Amino acid sequence: GAGVSQSPSNKVTEKGKDVELRCDPISGHTALYWYRQSLGQGLEFLIYFQGNSAPDKSGLPSDRFSAERTGGSVSTLTIQRTQQEDSAVYLCASSAGQGATNEKLFFGSGTQLSVL
Amino acid sequence: KQEVTQIPAALSVPEGENLVLNCSFTDSAIYNLQWFRQDPGKGLTSLLLIQSSQREQTSGRLNASLDKSSGRSTLYIAASQPGDSATYLCAGGGGGNKLTFGTGTQLKVEL
Repeated sequence: GAGVSQSPSNKVTEKGKDVELRCDPISGHTALYWYRQSLGQGLEFLIYFQGNSAPDKSGLPSDRFSAERTGGSVSTLTIQRTQQEDSAVYLCASSAGQGATNEKLFFGSGTQLSVL
Repeated sequence: KQEVTQIPAALSVPEGENLVLNCSFTDSAIYNLQWFRQDPGKGLTSLLLIQSSQREQTSGRLNASLDKSSGRSTLYIAASQPGDSATYLCAGGGGGNKLTFGTGTQLKVEL
């Protein structure tokens, strides 16, 4: 596609439920990132995928969070047993593959997650 | 740990005015500094990327500078327009994969 696509755009769930958020990066981009944006706060790094290398999971806030990237393309961020503090906008970004600090990132429009 | 601060948090200016947005960072061992724009309900759009070996970058009415020694970056917007209204975020990192973002400056350009 022309840009980074995320789905759903909005997700409302009940506390304790599991949710899956999807990211479809720009075709050919080998690097994929997940960030979280909470109200009034800056973007928080969650996880980074680069090609077939082991992902950098250092930003995941707890073991309830996990992410996969299948076939080097589409990525799914899973949050198990959601809590109210998980409510935020989850942003996905991709880049050509040199690393976030060396090249421009292209962001999707995000998934607004609300945990009731 | 890198910390990025943006001042002011919000700014309102009349159309046509030149303005400067400020970004400061705590770790001078910064590899690159990026400026992004975020429109309501949208993702981020990369505006300018300054490599650590560079002092500034320009794109149209935008000019970004980087001073590693003082831990500062500025984004200069010339002849502001209502369409420039958005939240502007700066982000940097010490290499690797993670960018550290500031909390942004919300800009409103009024007619």
